[in-house]
Amino acid sequence: DQQVKQNSPSLSVQEGRISILNCDYTNSMFDYFLWYKKYPAEGPTFLISISSIKDKNEDGRFTVFLNKSAKHLSLHIVPSQPGDSAVYFCAAVRVGGGADGLTFGKGTHLIIQP
Amino acid sequence: DSGVTQTPKHLITATGQRVTLRCSPRSGDLSVYWYQQSLDQGLQFLIQYYNGEERAKGNILERFSAQQFPDLHSELNLSSLELGDSALYFCASSVASGVNTGELFFGEGSRLTVL
Repeated sequence: DQQVKQNSPSLSVQEGRISILNCDYTNSMFDYFLWYKKYPAEGPTFLISISSIKDKNEDGRFTVFLNKSAKHLSLHIVPSQPGDSAVYFCAAVRVGGGADGLTFGKGTHLIIQP
Repeated sequence: DSGVTQTPKHLITATGQRVTLRCSPRSGDLSVYWYQQSLDQGLQFLIQYYNGEERAKGNILERFSAQQFPDLHSELNLSSLELGDSALYFCASSVASGVNTGELFFGEGSRLTVL
């Protein structure tokens, strides 16, 4: 039972354009949603998060949008840069419901074309 | 550099064997998490330790076990290895006992290949 789903295994975007990565979830008890970025031969690194009581969080070129009614979140990267080419994992966590770690999606490989 | 150190980076072994993966968390972090990433899969939570005690269990097989030592480093033991155990094993750490807002610091992973 996959509680966090990223339905696009890969996404190709031209440099300078907007990249939009999508994520769906099924568990309405999640309190925080996060995006992690992973380069080859490295571990995932935290990128940005959003609380379930918010609908938007922005950090520089990165913005995460949360639509609770649709159980959907998205990560927008504007403008996209070559260094953004990486695998992006969507993750979710339920606070106080037990320290059971993050629930991750399978990842989306973002390729920024020059 | 996340501050989390994992050894070995690569390991090749045969079916039926036993291996130990090691993780040193960031200085000051008390929680250690182990995750498995198989081919085309997301990161699957295996187990968490906090200050030496097991705190939570995820999809960890009975053939696998872990522990956290007084110096806070952790080891993941994988025994009776099968081909399907071939994967990247990540260790992550955080300062708190719970995941809280979810920000974990990951090591570079140990790639296990079972032949």
